[in-house]
Amino acid sequence: GQQVMQIPQYQHVQEGEDFTTYCNSSTTLSNIQWYKQRPGGHPVFLIQLVKSGEVKKQKRLTFQFGEAKKNSSLHITATQTTDVGTYFCAGPGGTGNQFYFGTGTSLTVIP
Amino acid sequence: EAQVTQNPRYLITVTGKKLTVTCSQNMNHEYMSWYRQDPGLGLRQIYYSMNVEVTDKGDVPEGYKVSRKEKRNFPLILESPSPNQTSLYFCASSPRHPYQETQYFGPGTRLLVL
Repeated sequence: GQQVMQIPQYQHVQEGEDFTTYCNSSTTLSNIQWYKQRPGGHPVFLIQLVKSGEVKKQKRLTFQFGEAKKNSSLHITATQTTDVGTYFCAGPGGTGNQFYFGTGTSLTVIP
Repeated sequence: EAQVTQNPRYLITVTGKKLTVTCSQNMNHEYMSWYRQDPGLGLRQIYYSMNVEVTDKGDVPEGYKVSRKEKRNFPLILESPSPNQTSLYFCASSPRHPYQETQYFGPGTRLLVL
């Protein structure tokens, strides 16, 4: 079946450092979504990218969709303690009605 | 308040004892889905429903059943739970297929099968 892998699995950074997580799909994605899950919480939608090569920004967060629509990245500039959590990429796959999440990257920010 | 609710939030049971986890949304969403979350594996889709009476298998449907008799409710049924079904379960809904829309998640149900 379709696989969506993310690296790294874990990342510890000092507050103020940058952070990047990479998402790679085994198949082409029609679009990709990013979610954030705080410790003990549920996933919360951050953004959706649709176009090949698309780049979107939300304050300190920059999201990119690869040209081949098989990979994506999330970059956080100058991390803060409020950025702590697990970041997931996700997208439709299989028959088109299924939905696949990446394996997630857990971010710890050290004050 | 627009939300997805799940019950129970925590459940400890024994192998083979049938259980149901309820999920309800008050946003009139068409698409509903169940996921399980396990360390290192992310969220994996169990079943989804495009609308009332329309359900289909996700990536890991074995050992689970669902039904969608009403638009707002999408219960997850474990007929004969086994220890490998110990996991964190999330219900989610979206206005239409998540291809087009974001998904809204419930708070999660943590299940332990002994």
